[in-house]
Amino acid sequence: EPEVTQTPSHQVTQMGQEVILRCVPISNHLYFYWYRQILGQKVEFLVSFYNNEISEKSEIFDDQFSVERPDGSNFTLKIRSTKLEDSAMYFCASSTGGDSPLHFGNGTRLTVT
Amino acid sequence: AQRVTQPEKLLSVFKGAPVELKCNYSYSGSPELFWYVQYSRQRLQLLLRHISRESIKGFTADLNKGETSFHLKKPFAQEEDSAMYYCAPEAGTASKLTFGTGTRLQVTL
Repeated sequence: EPEVTQTPSHQVTQMGQEVILRCVPISNHLYFYWYRQILGQKVEFLVSFYNNEISEKSEIFDDQFSVERPDGSNFTLKIRSTKLEDSAMYFCASSTGGDSPLHFGNGTRLTVT
Repeated sequence: AQRVTQPEKLLSVFKGAPVELKCNYSYSGSPELFWYVQYSRQRLQLLLRHISRESIKGFTADLNKGETSFHLKKPFAQEEDSAMYYCAPEAGTASKLTFGTGTRLQVTL
């Protein structure tokens, strides 16, 4: 069964540095998402992406965040200048849209020191 | 405001006992409702959805529009059911899921 894959599984970075989290969604999916989960807290929606543009974003997704689908297969989340509070598990998901379920990747654990 | 509430952080039951994981939602319109599960060291995955009305791994969930609830139930808990369970209404044009805080189900012998 096809899966959403995320790399790296763990990323450690220093405060103020830029990070790029990578995701390869399932190939025939059209909707792409990023969620995050701070340790001990709930899974929070960050952004959804469809037809090469952001379709919805949360308050968390401020100017420090951006998403891109650079080559038709990868879907990336960039954090321009990381803060300590960005430390979290970041999940990528994709779906075919409509009422179809989201398929999640295994997540990338981001640690900002 | 749109909100989903899972009142229990941890639910501990004995093997063979009935399980009910509570979920209440506050949404305008008629959201699609899902339960997602995360087993230890595995990814979030769909357990079941309201619209399909099916039973997955013995779990069922009934939508009660009057009480705005979508509780997850299983008559006899198994050890392998131990996991984090998230209730997630879906709304918005981008099929966005909003997760509850999750309930950790712990099934003991």
